[in-house]
Amino acid sequence: GAGVSQSPRYKVAKRGQDVALRCDPISGHVSLFWYQQALGQGPEFLTYFQNEAQLDKSGLPSDRFFAERPEGSVSTLKIQRTQQEDSAVYLCASSLGSSSEQFFGPGTRLTVL
Amino acid sequence: DQQVKQNSPSLSVQEGRISILNCDYTNSMFDYFLWYKKYPAEGPTFLISISSIKDKNEDGRFTVFLNKSAKHLSLHIVPSQPGDSAVYFCAASGEGASGGSNYKLTFGKGTLLTVNP
Repeated sequence: GAGVSQSPRYKVAKRGQDVALRCDPISGHVSLFWYQQALGQGPEFLTYFQNEAQLDKSGLPSDRFFAERPEGSVSTLKIQRTQQEDSAVYLCASSLGSSSEQFFGPGTRLTVL
Repeated sequence: DQQVKQNSPSLSVQEGRISILNCDYTNSMFDYFLWYKKYPAEGPTFLISISSIKDKNEDGRFTVFLNKSAKHLSLHIVPSQPGDSAVYFCAASGEGASGGSNYKLTFGKGTLLTVNP
């Protein structure tokens, strides 16, 4: 498809496990964003990439969260030693440029037991 | 501290009538506002936006109104259709609002719109 894809769609982890969430942006989109959406809340900004450069990681809640986009295309959000408060839907979005319309993927629902 | 507030968690309207979704913001540095629509198990999709230099933007059945002095915007859907049933998120951005970045979207909690046939 031509949209943003994310995998897995659902992930259940035991507390303390590490998880990796993948985002495939729309081809040619320079900008990539990660958001966290807790239950009953709106999406909250986590981090922003322009190509392979992570220009803003001000929204990452702790140093257990790490994101990368090594070749300027696919991105991975890694959460180490997951905690129950990490349970949320993690949304990825991409756009042509930083100020352009952001296209969202379907999200990965992470449940930490 | 919520900078974008959608005070109505839900709204129910009859098909064919007008739906009005409201949004308030507190950060005066926001200068661009967007509405996103979200169906279950899907990501938000962009619906309509407005720059702070305007007070109205229209696209088909959807119109967004901005009242800067009141820090309030609203989305009007006329006529409402059952397929419009979804969660609607208000979002804002502004270069002066987020340390020089205009890409960082700040979202409200959303309003669940139900359009009854």
